[in-house]
Amino acid sequence: DAGITQSPRHKVTETGTPVTLRCHQTENHRYMYWYRQDPGHGLRLIHYSYGVKDTDKGEVSDGYSVSRSKTEDFLLTLESATSSQTSVYFCAISDGGGDNQPQHFGDGTRLSIL
Amino acid sequence: AQSVTQPDIHITVSEGASLELRCNYSYGATPYLFWYVQSPGQGLQLLLKYFSGDTLVQGIKGFEAEFKRSQSSFNLRKPSVHWSDAAEYFCAVGARTNDYKLSFGAGTTVTVRA
Repeated sequence: DAGITQSPRHKVTETGTPVTLRCHQTENHRYMYWYRQDPGHGLRLIHYSYGVKDTDKGEVSDGYSVSRSKTEDFLLTLESATSSQTSVYFCAISDGGGDNQPQHFGDGTRLSIL
Repeated sequence: AQSVTQPDIHITVSEGASLELRCNYSYGATPYLFWYVQSPGQGLQLLLKYFSGDTLVQGIKGFEAEFKRSQSSFNLRKPSVHWSDAAEYFCAVGARTNDYKLSFGAGTTVTVRA
């Protein structure tokens, strides 16, 4: 299994509070991604990173920010959580260096915002 | 823009019967195509991938998929399902020219009856 650790695995918080989710990898892969999973929508890309300090938006980036200060860590921050951000969040990594590198996923973080 | 459609939300199949899950994609260039499987409460596991070459690809757990460019399809098949194949299955499309970002279908839930 790819070395991806997401923390925390579960979190319950209140509307308006800041939340940070962490994704840690031990594979030294260049690309890291944050997705959210909601029923009927599959997975949707929030933000991704193509290198240290290099990030870009995905299709559902509003209300989220990310940071990547070192290769192994990719942080997702909800500055002021809303109930619509209740979801399961997945981190994925990819080497992207060749044309045969799929994304591998972490086990997810279940976030509930009350 | 790239997109994926999985027409079947839920499929029920008898153990030992064959299974086919449909996936249609939209992308202007040559896509990378993937099938992932997710068991309840778990992350996504890669079943198989298509990057180029032979249009019939073999994956893990006895699954295979066929890329048909003329139909923009990448259907997943298994000749004989086992009770452990009950899960949710996601088709995804990506491209090297798009930073390997993936677009996912909404998923197909497979129920296996004895």
